Parts: sequence; C-alpha cells; structure tokens
Amino acid sequence: GAVVSQHPSRVICKSGTSVKIECRSLDFQATTMFWYRQFPKQSLMLMATSNEGSKATYEQGVEKDKFLINHASLTLSTLTVTSAHPEDSSFYICSASDRASNYGYTFGSGTRLTVV
Amino acid sequence: SQQGEEDPQALSIQEGENATMNCSYKTSINNLQWYRQNSGRGLVHLILIRSNEREKHSGRLRVTLDTSKKSSSLLITASRAADTASYFCATDAGNTGKLIFGQGTTLQVKP
Repeated sequence: GAVVSQHPSRVICKSGTSVKIECRSLDFQATTMFWYRQFPKQSLMLMATSNEGSKATYEQGVEKDKFLINHASLTLSTLTVTSAHPEDSSFYICSASDRASNYGYTFGSGTRLTVV
Repeated sequence: SQQGEEDPQALSIQEGENATMNCSYKTSINNLQWYRQNSGRGLVHLILIRSNEREKHSGRLRVTLDTSKKSSSLLITASRAADTASYFCATDAGNTGKLIFGQGTTLQVKP
C-alpha cells in the first residue's frame, strides 16, 4: 500500500535555530500534502495545505513565516520551523492525498520536536 | 478550526467490555473516518464510512453515521488491553480536500 515517510522521527534543537521536517510519498505521487500539529493529549490541528509547485495555504492563526512549507516535487514536502522557541515543541504529522487509497489519505509517522 | 466534538473525552473499561465513542461534526461531508493513535505514535486508519452509508463493520469495530444529526459512533466490541489508545474521527470537510479531526477519545482498557 501507499507509504508516507516522515523524517526525522525525533529532533531536539536549541532556541533560535531552524528545523526541517521532510515528508515523502514513497510509491505514489502526492499533489497535495497536509501538515498537522498535535500538542500533548490534544487532537491534530491542521496547519497548512501544501500544493506541489505553488504556495502553501495556511490555516487561520498559523504564521506562514514561522512555518515554511515547500512542496517542490510530487513526492516531497518539507516543513521548516524557523527561529524555534520552546512553545514550538510539539508533534508534527504530515499526510498525503492519495486518490488510489481506499480512504484518500496516507499519514507519516510523525516528528517529535523538542526545543530547548 | 476543529470540525467536530467527540465524547467522552476519556473512557476506562475492563477487558471484554464494549467501548462506544461518539463524534459530531458541523459541515456537510463526503465521508467520515476513524483513526487510532497510540501514545506518541502516528495514526492508524481504522475505518471509513461514506455519507450514503449508515453502518459499517470491520472485525470488532462497528461504525454508524447519522448525517441528519451530523454524528457518528465507533463501537469496539470485546475490548482488549491492546485497544488502549486515543481514537479520533475525521471528516473531509466537504470538497476542500482537508481532513479535519475531532477532539478524540482516550480509551483505557484494563486487563
């Protein structure tokens, strides 16, 4: 079945630095990918929709300059958390729109970001 | 913004009992999905029910959908300790292509 690979699975960075998270569709082309954020014991909050070859669409309240999304190819979307702060510590999950899937979406395994 | 509400927020039962979780949503949908998430892990897709379906089964899972009430329920029968996890409903929010998640129910099954 369709697989979405997300890396890294865990990352610890210092305040003020930037962190890049990659989301790859391994055996299908994903024109659209989605980035979610999840705080402990809470649900997944949609941050943005990433479209191949065009600018990402951000949800209300999400800072586009803080969370840079690039979807340069049909198999890769990246989320860069810029100038990270401890409050950016969270679990980030990507998903890819996969029309061949029975349920339309395939999720990555998530990235645990800790900013110290 | 979140699409739906789920209740209960937390549920604790004994192994062998049934667990029922409910989800409500706000907008029209094409389908509704249920996912499971073990603590600190990614999502596992459980079942999808389309807007023209009222009930669906998969193993020990039974999902119902009432589009008139904009609600769905997930029933796990004969629960096992391994069913301990968080369960989320998600809807496709009409034709936006986005998948929006409910608040989730944390299920604990005691052995």
